[in-house]
Amino acid sequence: AQSVAQPEDQVNVAEGNPLTVKCTYSVSGNPYLFWYVQYPNRGLQFLLKYITGDNLVKGSYGFEAEFNKSQTSFHLKKPSALVSDSALYFCAVRGHNFNKFYFGSGTKLNVKP
Amino acid sequence: DVKVTQSSRYLVKRTGEKVFLECVQDMDHENMFWYRQDPGLGLRLIYFSYDVKMKEKGDIPEGYSVSREKKERFSLILESASTNQTSMYLCASSAAGNYGYTFGSGTRLTVV
Repeated sequence: AQSVAQPEDQVNVAEGNPLTVKCTYSVSGNPYLFWYVQYPNRGLQFLLKYITGDNLVKGSYGFEAEFNKSQTSFHLKKPSALVSDSALYFCAVRGHNFNKFYFGSGTKLNVKP
Repeated sequence: DVKVTQSSRYLVKRTGEKVFLECVQDMDHENMFWYRQDPGLGLRLIYFSYDVKMKEKGDIPEGYSVSREKKERFSLILESASTNQTSMYLCASSAAGNYGYTFGSGTRLTVV
């Protein structure tokens, strides 16, 4: 069965510091992994995806994610956080039924000035 | 700019009412999805459709039905609304293949 875990409900970081939002997954076969961001009262916006190739994936707004097959992780990172990065972040894995995504429970990122 | 449009941002309905949530996409996507989002539970799949007039149950279909008469439109129906269906409802679409979703802005439904 496919599943995604985001172990932290909330991450707090100071503006200008690096940030990491953690994600681990469980899937049989090759994973297709995604990160989405949600601002208050809005739908989810695509940030980046890993399908194949380089383990370090770069996405929108300066975010990147590192795919680690041995640790079954796909952590979201940014070298220098902005207050405007404060939002809810979801990790997702696309299952073998390519039509279905499985989402983590979300991590609220708080960036303080 | 491609998009997924949900007809209502906020909706308040009474218990027992039949409720229709509409979603339209302009990207000619084959796949469309309905999720509900609740704090601490993330997104849970209610129903999805991979073609016109086709539908499949997701993880929590009870109390819901769907309709897809045209490729661009996917409707979620609450047959008899209950207070435990108060939630944020998100529609999404995707093309066939290894692509991500495009989400609508969501409908926050309150059942009183």
